Amino acid sequence: AQSVAQPEDQVNVAEGNPLTVKCTYSVSGNPYLFWYVQYPNRGLQFLLKYITGDNLVKGSYGFEAEFNKSQTSFHLKKPSALVSDSALYFCVPDRNNRLAFGKGNQVVVIP
Amino acid sequence: NAGVTQTPKFQVLKTGQSMTLQCAQDMNHNSMYWYRQDPGMGLRLIYYSASEGTTDKGEVPNGYNVSRLNKREFSLRLESAAPSQTSVYFCASSLTVETGELFFGEGSRLTVL
Repeated sequence: AQSVAQPEDQVNVAEGNPLTVKCTYSVSGNPYLFWYVQYPNRGLQFLLKYITGDNLVKGSYGFEAEFNKSQTSFHLKKPSALVSDSALYFCVPDRNNRLAFGKGNQVVVIP
Repeated sequence: NAGVTQTPKFQVLKTGQSMTLQCAQDMNHNSMYWYRQDPGMGLRLIYYSASEGTTDKGEVPNGYNVSRLNKREFSLRLESAAPSQTSVYFCASSLTVETGELFFGEGSRLTVL
């Protein structure tokens, strides 16, 4: 079974600073991991995914994530946060071809 | 290019009333899903349809029925609404269940009084 933990309820970051949203996973077998974002009053949008291959995955809107097997992490990063990046971010494992969305992490980018 | 379209966007029901949420996608996707989102609970899968002609239960199917009308459309029906079904409902689609890249609609906010 695959599960993830997003340890911080809310991430606050100043505009222009690096943004990191943390995710650690526990899996049996090879993990399939995804990041989704939900902007206020909108549906979710796919950002990126890790299946196999390169550990550094680049996604939409300047985001990237690094799959780290030794630390069992899949943190989402952006070099310079924008106010418009304020949203709810979901680290999502694939469970038998069904995505298991949790509560997500609220990110607030402060102008 | 509309993507995934849900109707209605807002609905208020009284306990015991019935209603159907409609969802359509124009991306020629095979798989479609219904989720509900509640504060503190994240998104939970209600039902999904891996391909036209098939439907399967998700985590929280009780109180709901679905119909995969054709490849484009996947509806969610509440036969006898309860206050516990007050939620925001999202429809999503993907090329297949294996791809993991879901495209979501804008959501339907349902209140049951």
